[in-house]
Formats: sequence, C-alpha cells, structure tokens
Amino acid sequence: GAVVSQHPSRVICKSGTSVKIECRSLDFQATTMFWYRQFPKQSLMLMATSNEGSKATYEQGVEKDKFLINHASLTLSTLTVTSAHPEDSSFYICSAARLTGIQNSPLHFGNGTRLTVT
Amino acid sequence: GQQLNQSPQSMFIQEGEDVSMNCTSSSIFNTWLWYKQDPGEGPVLLIALYKAGELTSNGRLTAQFGITRKDSFLNISASIPSDVGIYFCAGPSGGSNYKLTFGKGTLLTVNP
Repeated sequence: GAVVSQHPSRVICKSGTSVKIECRSLDFQATTMFWYRQFPKQSLMLMATSNEGSKATYEQGVEKDKFLINHASLTLSTLTVTSAHPEDSSFYICSAARLTGIQNSPLHFGNGTRLTVT
Repeated sequence: GQQLNQSPQSMFIQEGEDVSMNCTSSSIFNTWLWYKQDPGEGPVLLIALYKAGELTSNGRLTAQFGITRKDSFLNISASIPSDVGIYFCAGPSGGSNYKLTFGKGTLLTVNP
C-alpha cells in the first residue's frame, strides 16, 4: 500500500490565489521530504528539500518566497504555492524515505497533485 | 549538475515482446533506481541497484548496474498491456542519497 500520501490529488485555482499541498508519510517518520515538479511530458525536477524543524533547502532557480515549505512534524510537509499564476500549473510530487537503519532505503513518492491555475 | 541520458524516448511493442531501455551518465552514480509512472500518479520504485555489476530481478523486470557505474539498463520480458507507462531511471545527486536526478523517461506502449 501507499506509504506517502498527498492531498489534494488535483486542484484548480484562480490566478493570484494561494494553494497548499500536503504530503504525509504513513506509519513512518520522515525528517526529510522532497518536493518535485513535473511539467507535461517532462521528467521530474527537484524543487526543494523539506527538513523537519528547520528551513527548506531550495534548488537553483526555485523561488523560496513563492513556494513556501513547512515541515512542522515528522510526518507532514506542506508546499504552498503563493500568488499562483498559469505558468505554475504543473504536477507536484512529494517523496519521503523510510529510514530502516539500513544504509540504503528506497524513496517513496506520493501520488502527486495536479495544479491548474486559471 | 549530473544528467542522465535515457533511451529510447518511446517504444511501441506488441504484447509478449521483450523490452530494453537504458540510461547513461557522464559522471559516476553510486545508486541506480528504476521507476514506473502511470498517468496522473507518482512514480513507483521498480528496482534499486546499489553495487556496480549488480543484476537484480523483480518478476519480469531485470535491471543491471553497469561496471563503470555510468550506466544501467532495464529489461522487461514478455510484456503485457499493464506494462504501459513511463519508465524513469534515477540516481542520487547533490551529495544526498535521496535527492534524485531523473532521466527524461521512456514511454512504453504495448499493443494487445
């Protein structure tokens, strides 16, 4: 079953409004989560690393004031797209790693959020 | 940053045929991951490779971690219609095992 849950699965908003997307790790704690963005027919691009209890780390070219990330608990990270514009329309996907104490543990992805800004 | 070159970009095959796709990199990767993404969903991990030369199977899927650590391939045997989707290779970048760089994907279409 799913180990990372994302909500909502799709959202339509008007230009200029803000949208919050939630990413939850199910039955495991994730001190670090990752947010990716995927435009149609393209690959996943890492936007930022969400760190529990501290500031997120953003990839080059990603505006931190536009994409606000909050990782307030060990099982929840949120991404808020502020003052959304049509060009922000995309598929946003989060991921988290279940730390098993073994060096290598797989990264699990949520089912994504389809954002459409009109 | 590190880039992954994935090929082919798309494949159209008949049910029952075998499929092969690969990824190459100009730099060394310590881990190779293969994901499958269905439309409107997040990617699902198929196979993870952690050692150069490693050959790992998951049902009809087989993947290998190249000896040079700069390439990997994924084979699907006896394809079925539900194999349809986009297959991505990925590897860690930026000094973290969990910050992934993805290939551009291989779109697989299986004709019944």
